[in-house]
Amino acid sequence: GAGVSQTPSNKVTEKGKYVELRCDPISGHTALYWYRQSLGQGPEFLIYFQGTGAADDSGLPNDRFFAVRPEGSVSTLKIQRTERGDSAVYLCASSLGPRNTEAFFGQGTRLTVV
Amino acid sequence: AQSVTQLDSQVPVFEEAPVELRCNYSSSVSVYLFWYVQYPNQGLQLLLKYLSGSTLVKGINGFEAEFNKSQTSFHLRKPSVHISDTAEYFCAVSDSPGGSEKLVFGKGTKLTVNP
Repeated sequence: GAGVSQTPSNKVTEKGKYVELRCDPISGHTALYWYRQSLGQGPEFLIYFQGTGAADDSGLPNDRFFAVRPEGSVSTLKIQRTERGDSAVYLCASSLGPRNTEAFFGQGTRLTVV
Repeated sequence: AQSVTQLDSQVPVFEEAPVELRCNYSSSVSVYLFWYVQYPNQGLQLLLKYLSGSTLVKGINGFEAEFNKSQTSFHLRKPSVHISDTAEYFCAVSDSPGGSEKLVFGKGTKLTVNP
């Protein structure tokens, strides 16, 4: 596609439920990032994929969060046992590859945990 | 660890006035510096970046920024703003090659341009 696509755009879930957020990067981009943006804050890094592998997952807050990118294209961020504090906008970005210096962002998924 | 401080959370300005949005960073290694803009209900868009070379960087929409290593600053400027520049602006830093590829963002500055 023309840009980074994230689905759904909005997700409301109950506390304790499991959610999956999807990111479809720009075609040909091997690097993919997930960030989380809480209200009034800048985006915070969660995880970085180079191809299929997670090159840096140091930003994942705890073991309830997990992300995969099985074929090196689409990525899914999975959150188990959601908590109200997980409510935020989850942003995905992609770039051409390692050492590439321009990341293109999707519009994000707004997750609300009630 | 890297960090970014955006000193002003909100900046109101009149149309056609100049504006400066301040950004200071801390890092123990060489850095790349970026400014992103987020218009309402849209994704982050790259305005400009400093990688190396000339310390004055020009970006899209008439914005420019100056890298000052001694002051660890990367302030964003525009000589004359338009209503359409109303948005949130984020400064970000990344390691140079060899480090993590991730971006570390500031908290953002909301620019409001009034008629």
